[in-house]
Amino acid sequence: AQKVTQAQTEISVVEKEDVTLDCVYETRDTTYYLFWYKQPPSGELVFLIRRNSFDEQNEISGRYSWNFQKSTSSFNFTITASQVVDSAVYFCALSEADTGNQFYFGTGTSLTVIP
Amino acid sequence: ETGVTQTPRHLVMGMTNKKSLKCEQHLGHNAMYWYKQSAKKPLELMFVYNFKEQTENNSVPSRFSPECPNSSHLFLHLHTLQPEDSALYLCASSLHLGGSYEQYFGPGTRLTVT
Repeated sequence: AQKVTQAQTEISVVEKEDVTLDCVYETRDTTYYLFWYKQPPSGELVFLIRRNSFDEQNEISGRYSWNFQKSTSSFNFTITASQVVDSAVYFCALSEADTGNQFYFGTGTSLTVIP
Repeated sequence: ETGVTQTPRHLVMGMTNKKSLKCEQHLGHNAMYWYKQSAKKPLELMFVYNFKEQTENNSVPSRFSPECPNSSHLFLHLHTLQPEDSALYLCASSLHLGGSYEQYFGPGTRLTVT
């Protein structure tokens, strides 16, 4: 079974619109970590954020914000006032304390911001 | 150089060739990883090294052979590959093993097997 599900395969928005990328995860561990990565066309995955399972506080970094809800096993990512440079594939990932060497990645959401 | 570098960036090889992918990290990390990224599929973890010792081999075919001479360098030796091995191969590193440590990725090698 897929441990990380990103149901949105592709999203297109017009510049300056807000967009939310969904991530749903599955784990039985009480201690786990969630991540978001950005993969621009150059190919390199860029680390954006890490959250641990004990910290449900939402986080904001500039135009980026993350909403972690354990009740729905979701870790959604919102970009406010999107820009063309935000166009990329975004990956959500899960790591469990018991199998810490394994990162479980979702299939990614391809975001296109239209100028 | 900073971060994680990979060479070559693009590689085309025939099924009978032998080639190697190189990864170098300049972050002082102790753990290194090889991933395979195919279209429409999640990233697949292939190998994990911690302080030069291999700790994970996720049922990878023997035509892929990793080598980690030190904590900063990681190689993936390729021989007798199949067309379905065509993919983006990503190298990553983290300060230590364990899920709490984020991984930093290189730009990848785009491999095409003809």
